[in-house]
Amino acid sequence: DAGITQSPRHKVTETGTPVTLRCHQTENHRYMYWYRQDPGHGLRLIHYSYGVKDTDKGEVSDGYSVSRSKTEDFLLTLESATSSQTSVYFCAISGGGGETQYFGPGTRLLVL
Amino acid sequence: DQQVKQNSPSLSVQEGRISILNCDYTNSMFDYFLWYKKYPAEGPTFLISISSIKDKNEDGRFTVFLNKSAKHLSLHIVPSQPGDSAVYFCAASAISLGGTSYGKLTFGQGTILTVHP
Repeated sequence: DAGITQSPRHKVTETGTPVTLRCHQTENHRYMYWYRQDPGHGLRLIHYSYGVKDTDKGEVSDGYSVSRSKTEDFLLTLESATSSQTSVYFCAISGGGGETQYFGPGTRLLVL
Repeated sequence: DQQVKQNSPSLSVQEGRISILNCDYTNSMFDYFLWYKKYPAEGPTFLISISSIKDKNEDGRFTVFLNKSAKHLSLHIVPSQPGDSAVYFCAASAISLGGTSYGKLTFGQGTILTVHP
């Protein structure tokens, strides 16, 4: 298995509070991605990174920001959580733009 | 605008029979396709992929077929086993775009496969 961990694995928070999810990899892969999974939508790309400090928006980026200060860590921040951000969040990594993505175990977030 | 669609939310098959999961796409720029399997409370696991220069790729019990003219791909599992019961996602990427693609994947909604003993 690719060395990807996500923390926390579960989180319950209240509307309006900030939340940060962490993705950590030990594979030294250049590319990292954040997805959310919701019923009826499959997985949708939130943000991605193609190098340290190099990030860009995905399909559903509103309300989210990311940071990547070192190769192994990619942080996803919900500045002010809303109930619509209740979801399961997955991090993925790949060695190159044309290479297979490998996923972490996911973080289940509930915003009350 | 759903660029990748899996129109069957669920599929039920008997152990030993063939499972066929289908996926359609609309973006003609897609040239690399993948199938992922997902068990509950776990992350998606890569299963098999196919490039648009091929029309078939096989790996053990799993075969993916690509029909570019119809913008359709399918995953065949033969023979199906109870352990194959999971959610299957197809995904597509436009890797020929090179640097502007960044390997971004567009996923279908998923199909729940249940294999009965």
